[in-house]
Amino acid sequence: GDSVTQMEGPVTLSEEAFLTINCTYTATGYPSLFWYVQYPGEGLQLLLKATKADDKGSNKGFEATYRKETTSFHLEKGSVQVSDSAVYFCALSDPEYSGGGADGLTFGKGTHLIIQP
Amino acid sequence: EAQVTQNPRYLITVTGKKLTVTCSQNMNHEYMSWYRQDPGLGLRQIYYSMNVEVTDKGDVPEGYKVSRKEKRNFPLILESPSPNQTSLYFCASSYRTGGGETQYFGPGTRLLVL
Repeated sequence: GDSVTQMEGPVTLSEEAFLTINCTYTATGYPSLFWYVQYPGEGLQLLLKATKADDKGSNKGFEATYRKETTSFHLEKGSVQVSDSAVYFCALSDPEYSGGGADGLTFGKGTHLIIQP
Repeated sequence: EAQVTQNPRYLITVTGKKLTVTCSQNMNHEYMSWYRQDPGLGLRQIYYSMNVEVTDKGDVPEGYKVSRKEKRNFPLILESPSPNQTSLYFCASSYRTGGGETQYFGPGTRLLVL
């Protein structure tokens, strides 16, 4: 079945450091890829997404590029802030995976990011 | 304001006592689903619904029921809760099915089964 693998952390960085969170996937078809963020005590919200190979999603200074050849969707940010502290989830939806319908999300385990001032 | 709401937000119950967690969305979304979040496991889908009266199992459906009688509501029912259903539950919805749609999540319901 489909799966998503990401570093779990916690990842601790200083403010203004460069961030990379790795994400790789396996999928039956041609999935759409997502990064969701969960701030303390809140639900998940979409950070960015890409729906086809070589697409780049970006939002709030974060970027990720859909790399079909390496089955990856790594999250990057050039200069992190304390307010970026959260749990980040990489996820995919696969229209050829019947388990959750075309929009069912398969999640990685989440990466807890801690930014220190 | 476009949103997904869940109630209750926190619930402590005992083994075997039936409970319902409600979920409602005001965005006229077709697709709705339930996930549970557990430490070290991430989020896993329990059930989903592609439209009114259309529901199906996700990855971890055992011990749960759902219904979709109206487009906006998608309650999660635990007929006989057990301690292994202690978890954080999220409802989510998206505009339509077909892949690539952004899902909107509710704030979560934290359940403790004693």
